[in-house]
Formats: sequence, C-alpha cells, structure tokens
Amino acid sequence: DIQMTQSPSSLSASVGDRVTIACRASQNIVIHLNWYQQKPGKAPKLLIHAASTLQSGAPSRFSGSGSGTDFTLTISSLQPEDYATYYCQQSYNTLLTFGGGTRVEIK
Amino acid sequence: QVHLLQSGAEVKEPGASVTVSCNVSGNALTDASRHWVRQAPGKGLEYMGGFDPEDGETVYIQKFQGRLTFTEDTTTNTAYMELRSLISDDTATYFCAVDLGLGNNAFDMWGQGTTVTVSS
Repeated sequence: DIQMTQSPSSLSASVGDRVTIACRASQNIVIHLNWYQQKPGKAPKLLIHAASTLQSGAPSRFSGSGSGTDFTLTISSLQPEDYATYYCQQSYNTLLTFGGGTRVEIK
Repeated sequence: QVHLLQSGAEVKEPGASVTVSCNVSGNALTDASRHWVRQAPGKGLEYMGGFDPEDGETVYIQKFQGRLTFTEDTTTNTAYMELRSLISDDTATYFCAVDLGLGNNAFDMWGQGTTVTVSS
C-alpha cells in the first residue's frame, strides 16, 4: 500500500495568514493526489484534484502543488471558515489511501 | 444537482452485521466511480473499497476481506455496504463517496454519513 504522511498534524494560525500543509507519498504517485476539507460532523469536501486543479466552487485562495512524492496545499489568506481538518488522498492505484489529516485551529 | 442520501444511524451488538445504503439522485449510479470511506470517532479517514467503472474491478481493502460486501440496485440507483462480524473497532461514521467524472478517483460528492455504533 502507498503510505501518505501529512505534516504538521495540527497548526494554529490567524485570519489572514498564509498556511501551508505538506503531504508526502511513500512512492511516486505522479500527480494522482487530491485534497479535502472536513469540518466537524460533516462529510469531507473536495478542494483540489490531480495535485493542482481547483475543484469547481472551491475558493481561489486554495492552491495545490507538487508531483512525484511531495505535495503542498496552500491557503493564501486564511479565512474564519477555513478552520477545519485537511486530508490528502492518493489515487495512483486502486488501493486508495488518505493522509492522517492536518487540523487547522484558530490562534 | 447530484445528491447522495445515506440510511440512518445503527446500533449493533458485537458479532452482528450492518448494511448501510446510499441512494444517488441526479446521476446514474453506474456512471460514477463509487466508494466507501469510514471514520472512527476522533480519527482520520479510512478507505474501505469501491468500484471504478474504468477498470471494472471491485476493490476491498485487505483488512476487511471476508467481512465486507458491496452491492448495488440499479433500479433504485442505490449502493449498499454490508459489514459482518462487527467488533467495537467498527464503531465509526461510514460515508459513500463518488467521482462523477473528474477521473483520478477524486470524490466530488459524498453522502452525509451513517453512524454505526457497535456495543453490547
């Protein structure tokens, strides 16, 4: 199985801050990497697919980059509604796997 | 507008089975890559398996082999997930999720989640 490691596991940031979340794959997954946002008690929402394509309806302050084994989700200017947990997911093979999540908290 | 509606919360005793349904409206179930994900209380997302029409293969994650079955009723556009021989560690919220055409098994639509509690 492909292991996905996110860092940090949690972070505290203020409104307006630039936030970066990293995701590393245990092997080359090219650009088969998706990012989700999940708020408490809710289903996840797709933010980014194929490493850098912004999902329709997702705010433009979210961006994704990377290829191979190292990927990044960036929030350019954190908004109050962005406090949530973020997950990466690889879809390189049929045994899909998620990262452990990064919780973004209010500073 | 595509919508996934899951069945309601369940409480089961250890050793029992549970079936969670996921009704798709606004899109044919068979046109989507459809999958199941669970989340234990306070934990991360765990992929259980699913079906991608592009390769025509049903995938079950190894840890669930022998206990997990996915079925579908195309007449009602409903997918089902049955988990048998339940243990306390199966206590979780179970989600159905679909890729409606993005490819890359990026789940652009999710059900609301079904809470399954395993307790004696």
